[in-house]
Amino acid sequence: GNSVTQMEGPVTLSEEAFLTINCTYTATGYPSLFWYVQYPGEGLQLLLKATKADDKGSNKGFEATYRKETTSFHLEKGSVQVSDSAVYFCALRSSASKIIFGSGTRLSIRP
Amino acid sequence: NAGVTQTPKFQVLKTGQSMTLQCAQDMNHEYMSWYRQDPGMGLRLIHYSVGAGITDQGEVPNGYNVSRSTTEDFPLRLLSAAPSQTSVYFCASITSFTGQGARTEAFFGQGTRLTVV
Repeated sequence: GNSVTQMEGPVTLSEEAFLTINCTYTATGYPSLFWYVQYPGEGLQLLLKATKADDKGSNKGFEATYRKETTSFHLEKGSVQVSDSAVYFCALRSSASKIIFGSGTRLSIRP
Repeated sequence: NAGVTQTPKFQVLKTGQSMTLQCAQDMNHEYMSWYRQDPGMGLRLIHYSVGAGITDQGEVPNGYNVSRSTTEDFPLRLLSAAPSQTSVYFCASITSFTGQGARTEAFFGQGTRLTVV
C-alpha cells in the first residue's frame, strides 16, 4: 500500500545551519507530495507541495523536489532560524480523498 | 472565512463515557477526514468522507463513528471511551481537485486534546 517514511528525530541544529529532513514514499502512479509543519500547540499548516515529477515546492526558504526516480521528497533549508523549531510531516495524497502522513520529525534550533 | 473549526479544544473523559468531537468547514470541500496524532506515529486516518452521506473507514476506525449529513459538518463520535483513545484529534478538509498541476491541499483544524482516564 501507499506509505511515507521520514527520518526520525529529534533533529537539533544551531542557528544558520543547513537542514535536510529525508522523506521517501511508496505509491502507485504520481501522487501529490506535501510537507506540513506543526508549531507547538497548533494544527498542521501546509509548508510546500509538489504535484508532479521534478516539481520543486518552496516556501519560507524551505525547498523540496519531487524525485520520481528515487521516490523521495527531501526537505531542505539553507540557513535555519530559531523560529523554524517545529514538527515537520511529509505526506502524500494517495487518492482524491486520502492524505497519508509520515511519523513526523521534531526540529529544534539552538540560538 | 474561518476555514476548519474544531470543538472542543480540550476534553477529559472517564472510561466508558461517550462524546462527539465537532468539525465544521466553510470552504465547500467535498472531502473531510479525521486523524489522530500519537507520539512517534504521525497522523493516522480514522474515518473520511467524500461527500454528504458518504463515509468510509481509514486506518484505525475501531471505537469511532462518523456521519456526514451536510457538506459543512463531519462529527466524530467516541462510543465508549477507552484510555487507548487518549490522543490529539485533527479534522481536515481537503480540496477536491487532484492531478498534476492541480490545486491540492488539506486544511486542518486546531485539534482536540482528549484524555481518557
